[in-house]
Amino acid sequence: GNSVTQMEGPVTLSEEAFLTINCTYTATGYPSLFWYVQYPGEGLQLLLKATKADDKGSNKGFEATYRKETTSFHLEKGSVQVSDSAVYFCALSPRRGYQKVTFGTGTKLQVIP
Amino acid sequence: ETGVTQSPTHLIKTRGQQVTLRCSSQSGHNTVSWYQQALGQGPQFIFQYYREEENGRGNFPPRFSGLQFPNYSSELNVNALELDDSALYLCASYPNGANTEAFFGQGTRLTVV
Repeated sequence: GNSVTQMEGPVTLSEEAFLTINCTYTATGYPSLFWYVQYPGEGLQLLLKATKADDKGSNKGFEATYRKETTSFHLEKGSVQVSDSAVYFCALSPRRGYQKVTFGTGTKLQVIP
Repeated sequence: ETGVTQSPTHLIKTRGQQVTLRCSSQSGHNTVSWYQQALGQGPQFIFQYYREEENGRGNFPPRFSGLQFPNYSSELNVNALELDDSALYLCASYPNGANTEAFFGQGTRLTVV
Protein backbone atom coordinates (compact mmCIF):
# COMPACT_ATOMS: atom_id res chain seq x y z
CA GLY A 1 0.00 0.00 0.00
CA ASN A 2 0.89 3.67 -0.08
CA SER A 3 3.01 5.18 2.68
CA VAL A 4 4.76 8.42 3.57
CA THR A 5 7.84 8.77 5.75
CA GLN A 6 8.96 12.14 7.04
CA MET A 7 11.68 13.20 9.40
CA GLU A 8 10.84 13.15 13.05
CA GLY A 9 10.71 16.33 15.02
CA PRO A 10 10.61 18.51 16.78
CA VAL A 11 12.78 20.77 14.68
CA THR A 12 13.89 23.93 16.45
CA LEU A 13 15.34 26.79 14.39
CA SER A 14 16.24 30.39 14.96
CA GLU A 15 14.35 33.03 13.00
CA GLU A 16 15.76 33.50 9.45
CA ALA A 17 17.37 30.04 9.43
CA PHE A 18 17.05 27.67 6.47
CA LEU A 19 14.47 24.92 6.78
CA THR A 20 14.46 21.43 5.27
CA ILE A 21 11.94 18.75 6.22
CA ASN A 22 12.58 15.47 4.46
CA CYS A 23 9.77 13.38 3.01
CA THR A 24 9.87 10.14 1.02
CA TYR A 25 6.98 8.07 -0.22
CA THR A 26 6.01 4.65 -1.47
CA ALA A 27 3.12 4.43 -3.91
CA THR A 28 1.87 2.61 -6.96
CA GLY A 29 1.55 4.68 -10.08
CA TYR A 30 2.08 8.42 -10.02
CA PRO A 31 0.46 10.01 -7.00
CA SER A 32 -0.12 13.67 -6.31
CA LEU A 33 2.02 15.00 -3.46
CA PHE A 34 1.12 17.59 -0.85
CA TRP A 35 2.40 19.45 2.17
CA TYR A 36 -0.22 20.40 4.74
CA VAL A 37 0.32 22.62 7.78
CA GLN A 38 -1.51 22.44 11.10
CA TYR A 39 -1.34 25.33 13.53
CA PRO A 40 -2.06 24.65 17.22
CA GLY A 41 -5.71 23.81 17.83
CA GLU A 42 -6.64 24.01 14.17
CA GLY A 43 -7.38 21.73 11.22
CA LEU A 44 -5.19 21.15 8.19
CA GLN A 45 -4.36 23.75 5.58
CA LEU A 46 -2.90 22.93 2.20
CA LEU A 47 0.53 24.56 1.92
CA LEU A 48 1.57 23.39 -1.54
CA LYS A 49 1.17 20.56 -4.01
CA ALA A 50 2.75 18.91 -7.05
CA THR A 51 0.99 16.55 -9.40
CA LYS A 52 3.72 15.15 -11.63
CA ALA A 53 7.45 14.43 -11.70
CA ASP A 54 9.74 17.50 -11.57
CA ASP A 55 6.86 19.81 -10.67
CA LYS A 56 7.74 22.37 -8.02
CA GLY A 57 5.05 23.45 -5.61
CA SER A 58 5.51 26.78 -3.85
CA ASN A 59 3.61 29.00 -1.46
CA LYS A 60 4.49 31.60 1.21
CA GLY A 61 8.21 31.10 0.61
CA PHE A 62 8.00 27.31 0.99
CA GLU A 63 8.99 25.04 -1.89
CA ALA A 64 9.01 21.31 -2.64
CA THR A 65 9.97 19.44 -5.83
CA TYR A 66 8.40 16.13 -6.90
CA ARG A 67 11.40 13.79 -7.38
CA LYS A 68 10.23 10.54 -8.91
CA GLU A 69 13.71 9.02 -9.14
CA THR A 70 14.25 9.36 -5.38
CA THR A 71 10.53 9.18 -4.44
CA SER A 72 10.97 12.34 -2.40
CA PHE A 73 9.18 15.62 -1.81
CA HIS A 74 11.33 17.59 0.65
CA LEU A 75 9.99 20.87 2.03
CA GLU A 76 12.31 23.89 2.09
CA LYS A 77 12.19 27.53 3.10
CA GLY A 78 15.07 29.93 2.88
CA SER A 79 14.26 32.05 5.94
CA VAL A 80 11.78 30.90 8.57
CA GLN A 81 9.72 33.19 10.77
CA VAL A 82 8.24 32.68 14.23
CA SER A 83 4.82 32.53 12.57
CA ASP A 84 5.91 29.38 10.68
CA SER A 85 5.84 27.41 13.94
CA ALA A 86 3.40 24.56 13.33
CA VAL A 87 3.21 20.87 12.46
CA TYR A 88 3.91 20.00 8.83
CA PHE A 89 2.49 16.89 7.15
CA CYS A 90 3.69 15.35 3.92
CA ALA A 91 0.92 13.50 2.09
CA LEU A 92 -0.01 11.77 -1.14
CA SER A 93 -3.17 10.79 -2.96
CA PRO A 94 -3.69 8.59 -5.99
CA ARG A 95 -4.35 10.21 -9.31
CA ARG A 96 -7.10 7.74 -10.06
CA GLY A 97 -9.78 6.17 -7.96
CA TYR A 98 -11.13 7.55 -4.75
CA GLN A 99 -9.26 10.38 -3.13
CA LYS A 100 -7.79 8.72 -0.04
CA VAL A 101 -4.98 10.88 1.31
CA THR A 102 -2.10 9.08 3.04
CA PHE A 103 -0.25 11.24 5.55
CA GLY A 104 3.10 11.08 7.22
CA THR A 105 3.30 11.35 11.00
CA GLY A 106 4.04 15.06 10.94
CA THR A 107 7.06 17.18 11.85
CA LYS A 108 6.73 19.85 14.50
CA LEU A 109 8.63 23.04 13.72
CA GLN A 110 9.41 25.59 16.41
CA VAL A 111 11.01 28.85 15.36
CA ILE A 112 12.53 30.94 18.13
CA PRO A 113 13.22 34.69 17.88
CA GLU B 1 -17.75 30.51 -1.02
CA THR B 2 -17.95 28.94 2.41
CA GLY B 3 -15.33 26.47 3.60
CA VAL B 4 -15.75 23.11 5.29
CA THR B 5 -17.46 23.45 8.66
CA GLN B 6 -17.68 20.82 11.39
CA SER B 7 -19.75 20.56 14.53
CA PRO B 8 -19.38 20.36 17.41
CA THR B 9 -15.84 21.63 17.96
CA HIS B 10 -15.36 19.71 21.19
CA LEU B 11 -17.19 16.77 22.72
CA ILE B 12 -16.80 14.58 25.79
CA LYS B 13 -18.43 11.15 25.85
CA THR B 14 -18.38 8.14 28.14
CA ARG B 15 -17.06 4.76 27.06
CA GLY B 16 -19.84 2.68 25.48
CA GLN B 17 -21.86 5.67 24.31
CA GLN B 18 -22.60 6.63 20.73
CA VAL B 19 -21.60 9.89 19.01
CA THR B 20 -22.54 11.73 15.81
CA LEU B 21 -20.24 14.29 14.23
CA ARG B 22 -21.35 16.60 11.43
CA CYS B 23 -19.70 18.18 8.42
CA SER B 24 -20.86 20.68 5.83
CA SER B 25 -18.78 20.40 2.69
CA GLN B 26 -17.45 23.33 0.71
CA SER B 27 -19.85 24.71 -1.87
CA GLY B 28 -19.70 22.74 -5.11
CA HIS B 29 -17.90 19.76 -3.56
CA ASN B 30 -19.67 16.40 -3.91
CA THR B 31 -17.11 14.16 -2.19
CA VAL B 32 -16.51 14.00 1.55
CA SER B 33 -13.91 12.05 3.50
CA TRP B 34 -13.43 11.55 7.22
CA TYR B 35 -10.11 11.16 9.02
CA GLN B 36 -9.11 10.32 12.57
CA GLN B 37 -6.04 12.08 13.98
CA ALA B 38 -4.77 10.71 17.26
CA LEU B 39 -2.55 12.96 19.37
CA GLY B 40 0.89 13.34 17.82
CA GLN B 41 -0.01 11.32 14.73
CA GLY B 42 -0.96 11.99 11.15
CA PRO B 43 -4.59 11.71 10.08
CA GLN B 44 -5.84 8.22 9.21
CA PHE B 45 -8.46 7.72 6.49
CA ILE B 46 -11.78 6.38 7.80
CA PHE B 47 -14.04 6.45 4.73
CA GLN B 48 -15.22 8.52 1.80
CA TYR B 49 -18.67 9.32 0.38
CA TYR B 50 -19.48 10.33 -3.15
CA ARG B 51 -23.06 11.23 -4.08
CA GLU B 52 -24.44 9.62 -0.91
CA GLU B 53 -22.61 6.30 -1.39
CA GLU B 54 -19.57 5.05 0.49
CA ASN B 55 -16.88 4.47 -2.14
CA GLY B 56 -13.80 3.85 -0.04
CA ARG B 57 -12.98 2.73 3.48
CA GLY B 58 -9.86 2.54 5.60
CA ASN B 59 -8.97 0.05 8.32
CA PHE B 60 -11.70 0.96 10.80
CA PRO B 61 -14.28 -1.38 12.38
CA PRO B 62 -17.97 -1.35 11.39
CA ARG B 63 -18.93 0.64 14.48
CA PHE B 64 -17.61 3.61 12.51
CA SER B 65 -20.33 4.46 10.00
CA GLY B 66 -21.40 7.45 7.99
CA LEU B 67 -23.96 9.15 5.86
CA GLN B 68 -23.94 11.72 3.11
CA PHE B 69 -27.04 13.78 2.36
CA PRO B 70 -28.35 15.18 -0.94
CA ASN B 71 -26.79 18.56 -0.13
CA TYR B 72 -23.44 16.70 0.26
CA SER B 73 -23.19 17.35 3.99
CA SER B 74 -22.12 14.32 5.99
CA GLU B 75 -22.23 12.61 9.37
CA LEU B 76 -19.79 10.31 11.11
CA ASN B 77 -21.31 7.95 13.67
CA VAL B 78 -19.30 5.95 16.16
CA ASN B 79 -21.02 3.32 18.31
CA ALA B 80 -19.78 1.66 21.48
CA LEU B 81 -17.11 4.28 22.08
CA GLU B 82 -13.74 3.13 23.36
CA LEU B 83 -11.07 5.19 25.12
CA ASP B 84 -8.82 4.87 22.03
CA ASP B 85 -11.45 6.67 19.96
CA SER B 86 -10.33 9.90 21.62
CA ALA B 87 -8.92 11.95 18.74
CA LEU B 88 -9.42 14.90 16.42
CA TYR B 89 -11.89 13.94 13.68
CA LEU B 90 -11.37 15.80 10.44
CA CYS B 91 -13.73 16.14 7.54
CA ALA B 92 -12.45 16.95 4.06
CA SER B 93 -14.31 17.78 0.89
CA TYR B 94 -13.32 18.08 -2.75
CA PRO B 95 -14.87 18.17 -6.18
CA ASN B 96 -14.70 14.73 -7.73
CA GLY B 97 -11.78 14.18 -10.06
CA ALA B 98 -8.09 13.45 -10.13
CA ASN B 99 -5.43 15.75 -8.77
CA THR B 100 -7.78 17.74 -6.60
CA GLU B 101 -6.59 18.61 -3.14
CA ALA B 102 -8.69 18.01 -0.03
CA PHE B 103 -10.10 21.02 1.84
CA PHE B 104 -10.24 20.28 5.56
CA GLY B 105 -12.49 21.53 8.29
CA GLN B 106 -11.26 22.60 11.73
CA GLY B 107 -12.11 19.24 13.20
CA THR B 108 -14.06 17.90 16.17
CA ARG B 109 -12.04 17.04 19.27
CA LEU B 110 -13.63 13.94 20.82
CA THR B 111 -12.63 12.85 24.29
CA VAL B 112 -13.86 9.48 25.58
CA VAL B 113 -13.68 9.02 29.35
